Amino acid sequence: QVQLQESGPGLVKPSQTLSLTCTVSGGSISSGSYYWSWIRQPAGRGLEWIGRIYTSGSTSYNPSLKSRVTISVDTSKNQFSLKLSSVTAADTAVYYCARATYLGYYYAMDVWGQGTTVTVSS
Amino acid sequence: DIQMTQSPSSLSASVGDRVTITCRASQSISNYLNWYQQKPGKVPNLLIYAASSLQSGVPSRFSGSGSGTDFTLTISSLQPEDFATYYCQQSYSTWTFGQGTKVEIK
Repeated sequence: QVQLQESGPGLVKPSQTLSLTCTVSGGSISSGSYYWSWIRQPAGRGLEWIGRIYTSGSTSYNPSLKSRVTISVDTSKNQFSLKLSSVTAADTAVYYCARATYLGYYYAMDVWGQGTTVTVSS
Repeated sequence: DIQMTQSPSSLSASVGDRVTITCRASQSISNYLNWYQQKPGKVPNLLIYAASSLQSGVPSRFSGSGSGTDFTLTISSLQPEDFATYYCQQSYSTWTFGQGTKVEIK
């Protein structure tokens, strides 16, 4: 079955750009009606949806992060990526990638990566 | 933005108890509502989609109901493995999660 794996630097300096990649295995990222999403969770806190990209490349972002976020897809590598610019300590969190599947007219995130911890610190 | 508010934020319950968690949307979201379970140190797991549809492999003691702005997740008989944090999430517009409800052992 489909599996997702996040990768990227675990430490990012303030004001720099956080870059993460999610590699999809066990299936093609460009097949089917899926949204590919990023979600984050600061330590001890709740889930925050960051954004999503459709297989066609169309995107949607959390309004509170929209000015700093870019999500892209590389179908040749079966990967999608997250870039978050001008990071601060408030961006320290576990970052998850997830697949949202069309389940009877509705989308829900049914496959998740294991998560990767990103710390913003100098 | 659509805000999702869960109540309570936490609850204590015993094995075998019936547990109900509520999620309220700041505007109508029809039944574009999902529920996830997250155990400590683990990845969130989809339980319910479209407000009341049980995800494959999820035990039948979990159920969801509601439409519009008010939704409920019910665990009919709490089991030891159900102690976790539960999140609602709307997929009506730009997606948002509720703040979570932690279910603890009494």
